[in-house]
Amino acid sequence: KQEVTQIPAALSVPEGENLVLNCSFTDSAIYNLQWFRQDPGKGLTSLLLIQSSQREQTSGRLNASLDKSSGRSTLYIAASQPGDSATYLCAVNRDDKIIFGKGTRLHILP
Amino acid sequence: SAVISQKPSRDICQRGTSLTIQCQVDSQVTMMFWYRQQPGQSLTLIATANQGSEATYESGFVIDKFPISRPNLTFSTLTVSNMSPEDSSIYLCSVAADPATNEKLFFGSGTQLSVL
Repeated sequence: KQEVTQIPAALSVPEGENLVLNCSFTDSAIYNLQWFRQDPGKGLTSLLLIQSSQREQTSGRLNASLDKSSGRSTLYIAASQPGDSATYLCAVNRDDKIIFGKGTRLHILP
Repeated sequence: SAVISQKPSRDICQRGTSLTIQCQVDSQVTMMFWYRQQPGQSLTLIATANQGSEATYESGFVIDKFPISRPNLTFSTLTVSNMSPEDSSIYLCSVAADPATNEKLFFGSGTQLSVL
């Protein structure tokens, strides 16, 4: 059974710092992995999608990497801003089942 | 991309009542997904709604508790029936940009439900 774990559960960093969020999954046979952002009480916004054949994807200040063999993905946020404060979730897709992690609550301190 | 309008955005309901959540998509999609997010937890898939057929429910979820309608390719409803405080959650509908692979999920803004 696929399990997705995100560490840390919460993170506070000063504005301007670079940071890394971690996602690990137990079954490496995935189709893709997706990172989402969720603001409090709101829906999810897709940030980056990495296919199983890819190693990384970039969008602006965000870079997501994927190491299927070790069951890990990271989301790198450069030059963090207070507007980046949100919960970040990763989700893996296998056999038409999408399994979400519990997310990392990120707080950027002004 | 897909734009999903979900309503209501939030509601406070009494125990024993039912609430129907609506999702409208700006394009035709084959499958729509309904998720529940309990406080401090990850998203859990409730069911997949296909147009013209009965929804497919995940383990632990039943049609009597969460009836779903899918009258056309752009609209779906989820009803939370006979509510109890344990049903307090965020409920989200979702569609996939590529239905063949469930890639690129797009979500509605969510319905935050509190049951007293």
